[in-house]
This record gives sequence, structure tokens and C-alpha cells, in this order.
Amino acid sequence: DAMVIQNPRYQVTQFGKPVTLSCSQTLNHNVMYWYQQKSSQAPKLLFHYYDKDFNNEADTPDNFQSRRPNTSFCFLDIRSPGLGDAAMYLCATTRGQGVGETQYFGPGTRLLVL
Amino acid sequence: RKEVEQDPGPFNVPEGATVAFNCTYSNSASQSFFWYRQDCRKEPKLLMSVYSSGNEDGRFTAQLNRASQYISLLIRDSKLSDSATYLCVVNRKDSSYKLIFGSGTRLLVRP
Repeated sequence: DAMVIQNPRYQVTQFGKPVTLSCSQTLNHNVMYWYQQKSSQAPKLLFHYYDKDFNNEADTPDNFQSRRPNTSFCFLDIRSPGLGDAAMYLCATTRGQGVGETQYFGPGTRLLVL
Repeated sequence: RKEVEQDPGPFNVPEGATVAFNCTYSNSASQSFFWYRQDCRKEPKLLMSVYSSGNEDGRFTAQLNRASQYISLLIRDSKLSDSATYLCVVNRKDSSYKLIFGSGTRLLVRP
């Protein structure tokens, strides 16, 4: 009964070749988040959507873009992946944006850049 | 300085041991506090929320000291299955959508 689904689980791309990671949710939550997590580091928030409103973190590189065509789906586009973009990418959702709301994470997509 | 600081460990303990992790946060606007557990190559999962009065869930006890901006997690009677990375997480009132994660403390429980 997966609630936050990420595809693919593993993605290999070439340096500079655009790649898209996918996230879907069955919770009907309003908010969807994308995090980047490198080995032995904390998850780093890239951006989030509240419904259709896109909110970019100040330090997210322009190379990272996102789309949310409907409530259920959210995509992370990496326009020109570099070696430093190899990481686990985590999608998460919350019902709203109140303090203390539980974030539900997907299983992540591990990206390898060759 | 990171907003949420944790000892990275690893903490290597025998089964049955009691182990405690500490975490400090720097922003006094932090309002909600959590411990997440993350297994190797898996997503973080909420272990427990942390309340000012302290709270317990089975073998796990969490404490919050707002004055010292300090959070702790105590695990009693450690099991092999407790081996994981434990992430200290805070949520600020001024940016309530955002979870601020520590880098995690790695726990290894040996037979």
C-alpha cells in the first residue's frame, strides 16, 4: 500500500544528459517536496509545491527544475547533470504546511552520473 | 555552523545495551522536534515526535530541553534491528513547511 511512489528507484545517466525523476502520491496531500541527500549528509530541501504554487529554496541550482501537473504527480528535472549531482533524491508529502505536520517520504531514487 | 548538530558516530554497542544520542539546534524559533530513522539506502521514517514533557514509545525515550536547545533520544535494550542512522529534525515556526535535518548519528548494534 505504497503512499508515496518514486520511479525509477535507480537511474543512471551520462554527464550533461537531461534526466527526469518521478514522484506520485495516493494521499491527496497538498504539499510535495523534493530533497537531495548525499552520502552521510542530511537531506537538503530543493523546492516544494503547495498545490500549484512553486517554492524554490534560495540555494537550489538553476540546473534543477520541477513540474507538478496535478495533485498526484511531481517531477524533478535535472537539465544538465554533473558528477556532483549523484545522490539520492527523495520525494515527500504533507497534507498542509502547519508546524509539526508529518512528512511522508517515498523510497527515493538513487542517481548515478557517469 | 549547522542549524542542527549531531555526533555522527558510529555508536557501536552490544545487544541489550542502552544508548543515548544528543542533538543541538541553534535557531530559537524552532517549534517542533522529531527523531527520524534512516536505514542504509532507504528513506527517512518518522520514529517519534519530541515534546517538552518528554515522551516514551516502548524502548525509546525522547527529551527536549528548550532552554539549552537540546534534544535527546534514549534507546533501551538495543536490538540488532535498531542498527540505523538516527536523524534529529526540527521545524521552525517562521518556515513551517520546512524540516531542518541533522546529518544523523549512526548506530551499530552487534550480537
